[in-house]
Amino acid sequence: ELQLVESGGGVVRPGGSLRLSCEASGFTFDDYGMSWVRQAPGKGLEWVSGINWNGDSTGYADSVKGRFTISRDNAKNSLYLQMNSLRAEDTALYHCARGGDCTNNICFSGVGFDPWGQGTLVTVSS
Amino acid sequence: DVVMTQSPLSLPVTLGQPASISCRSSQSLVYSDGNTYLNWFQQRPGQSPRRLIYKISNRDSGVPDRFSGSGSGTDFTLKISRVEAEDVGVYYCMQGTHWPGTFGQGTKVEIK
Repeated sequence: ELQLVESGGGVVRPGGSLRLSCEASGFTFDDYGMSWVRQAPGKGLEWVSGINWNGDSTGYADSVKGRFTISRDNAKNSLYLQMNSLRAEDTALYHCARGGDCTNNICFSGVGFDPWGQGTLVTVSS
Repeated sequence: DVVMTQSPLSLPVTLGQPASISCRSSQSLVYSDGNTYLNWFQQRPGQSPRRLIYKISNRDSGVPDRFSGSGSGTDFTLKISRVEAEDVGVYYCMQGTHWPGTFGQGTKVEIK
C-alpha cells in the first residue's frame, strides 16, 4: 500500500524553526520527485516546495524562498522540510506528496501529486 | 503565476443528479510536449486530497466512471454523472504546465 506519513509539526513562535519529516512506503522512493503542499486553515491548496529524485535540484514558492529548505534521504525513504524564520502566514497543514520534478531549480508539477500524506499541522503564534 | 478560477464555489446537489464544476486558467495549459496538464483532486471531509483525474480526462485507478473531465486550452470541466453521498467534499483543479503548479480555490459539493 502506498503510504506517506508526516511528522514534526507543532506550535512555534514567529521567527522560530521546525523540521518536518515524511516517511514513504509501498513504492520505490528514489524513482520519484517529491513535493510539499500546504493548506491554511479553511483555505485552499498551495504548492510549497519540490525536489528531484536524488536531491540535486529543488524549487520553492516565492512565499517561502530563502526560509525553507527541502531535502531527502533515499536510504531512509524520507523527505524533509526545514522551516526557518516562520511567520503567522505559514500556519497550515503541511502535506507531503509524491510527484513533481525539478531541474535547474524549477519544478514541473505535470500530472500533479499522488498519493498525499495526511499532513502535519504547523501553527505559528506568539 | 497562473491563476485558476473555479465556479461555482459551492454546489448543492440532489443525490442521483448530475453536477458540473468549471475551471478556467489565466493562460493556456498546453505544454511544449503537446500535453495539457490539468488535473482534478477530491478532498473528502477530514481527509487528504486525492487525485481523481490527470491531463484533462484520464481517471486515476479506482475512480468511478461517473467522474469525467473535459476541456482544452484554458477552459475545463469536471462532471459527476450521478452524485452519490460519498462524493461530498471539496474539488480542486490544478495546473501542472507552468511553474509553479497552482490550484483553484476549490468547489464545495454538498447534498441538498
